[in-house]
Amino acid sequence: NAGVMQNPRHLVRRRGQEARLRCSPMKGHSHVYWYRQLPEEGLKFMVYLQKENIIDESGMPKERFSAEFPKEGPSILRIQQVVRGDSAAYFCASSWTGGEGYTFGSGTRLTVV
Amino acid sequence: EDKVVQSPLSLVVHEGDTVTLNCSYEVTNFRSLLWYKQEKKAPTFLFMLTSSGIEKKSGRLSSILDKKELFSILNITATQTGDSAVYLCAVEAGSSNTGKLIFGQGTTLQVKP
Repeated sequence: NAGVMQNPRHLVRRRGQEARLRCSPMKGHSHVYWYRQLPEEGLKFMVYLQKENIIDESGMPKERFSAEFPKEGPSILRIQQVVRGDSAAYFCASSWTGGEGYTFGSGTRLTVV
Repeated sequence: EDKVVQSPLSLVVHEGDTVTLNCSYEVTNFRSLLWYKQEKKAPTFLFMLTSSGIEKKSGRLSSILDKKELFSILNITATQTGDSAVYLCAVEAGSSNTGKLIFGQGTTLQVKP
């Protein structure tokens, strides 16, 4: 079991470009969570998805950010027109059922230059 | 607004010392409190606490929850340099069982040889 796989590990984007972060959950897990960790801060919830459905996106910024978890393939967190303030570590976690303890991936560190 | 506060924010000790990390919370519909260890990458699960007064123990680490006073402590005895990490406290709360976690800022522990 490879665990929760996130890629890329590091991503550098210029201001105005798009960033796509991928998360493959653990085998058998159908619940995916995205968190953002800004420097010197704890993790902040962004969005909770099940296959093909967004369950809770209360932590997602209203503009430029979107997430999906298609029937086939990884979950994608997409940030359009990135700004310097988007620089952070983005962590994905997955679980077998919502509400149970879950497993984190190693994160994607996004740097906007 | 739900919040989780950890203290101290950082701590430096020498090998062999005992440390106590604190986590207080103010949330609506508390479900569980979790502790994670983060060493530059994925947060790894330590404990999940749901009941007051029952100590959870794993080797030199132990944790307990006080639901009346709304806090938890994480104890590490006979610290080793490998314990150096950020320790994250998180609370699952809310009326629906979604698994969404509210994290504290983390406590950065440095154990010197």
